[in-house]
Amino acid sequence: TQLLEQSPQFLSIQEGENLTVYCNSSSVFSSLQWYRQEPGEGPVLLVTVVTGGEVKKLKRLTFQFGDARKDSSLHITAAQPGDTGLYLCAGGYNFNKFYFGSGTKLNVKP
Amino acid sequence: DTEVTQTPKHLVMGMTNKKSLKCEQHMGHRAMYWYKQKAKKPPELMFVYSYEKLSINESVPSRFSPECPNSSLLNLHLHALQPEDSALYLCASSRLGGRGPSGANVLTFGAGSRLTVL
Repeated sequence: TQLLEQSPQFLSIQEGENLTVYCNSSSVFSSLQWYRQEPGEGPVLLVTVVTGGEVKKLKRLTFQFGDARKDSSLHITAAQPGDTGLYLCAGGYNFNKFYFGSGTKLNVKP
Repeated sequence: DTEVTQTPKHLVMGMTNKKSLKCEQHMGHRAMYWYKQKAKKPPELMFVYSYEKLSINESVPSRFSPECPNSSLLNLHLHALQPEDSALYLCASSRLGGRGPSGANVLTFGAGSRLTVL
């Protein structure tokens, strides 16, 4: 059973398009992180959100934490081939237990 | 130093072999983790060490034996593995308790050890 569900699982788009990835759960999290992982490498942290309703921007990436702290979204504006990778959300249940979402594999074609 | 270093990067072993994966961090983190990641799947939590003591074991088979010799090192001893144990093994570390500079506790990952069991 996956505690965190991500959608879509796969996304293939053209350079310049916008996209949104969703991370949903029935559980409340103390924090939620988004990571990007390249093949053969470990996940790299993109952002952490801790407050319900929080919105954070990282260049062309916009992250939102749901008001009830059960869900989050990642929006990418004008996607570029360098954005290609596996996007993972991770929920923190306490300070030392983190579970990952099912992952979204993004491919941005030039 | 903000890195988590894992060795070896690649490991091939037979089902009767005994081998170990190693992880090292010098960020002063007092929580260290092992995750297992199969191809095209998210990382799955295996073990968590807090202050060098095993605090979480996610019902991992005993053929995987973790060890935390000190606050900077984490090992994963492997014995009598099965081909289905082939995966990318990721080590991570984090602060213990409280909140980091970003406002929450976060994981820093190593690049992983790619294990193939023949």
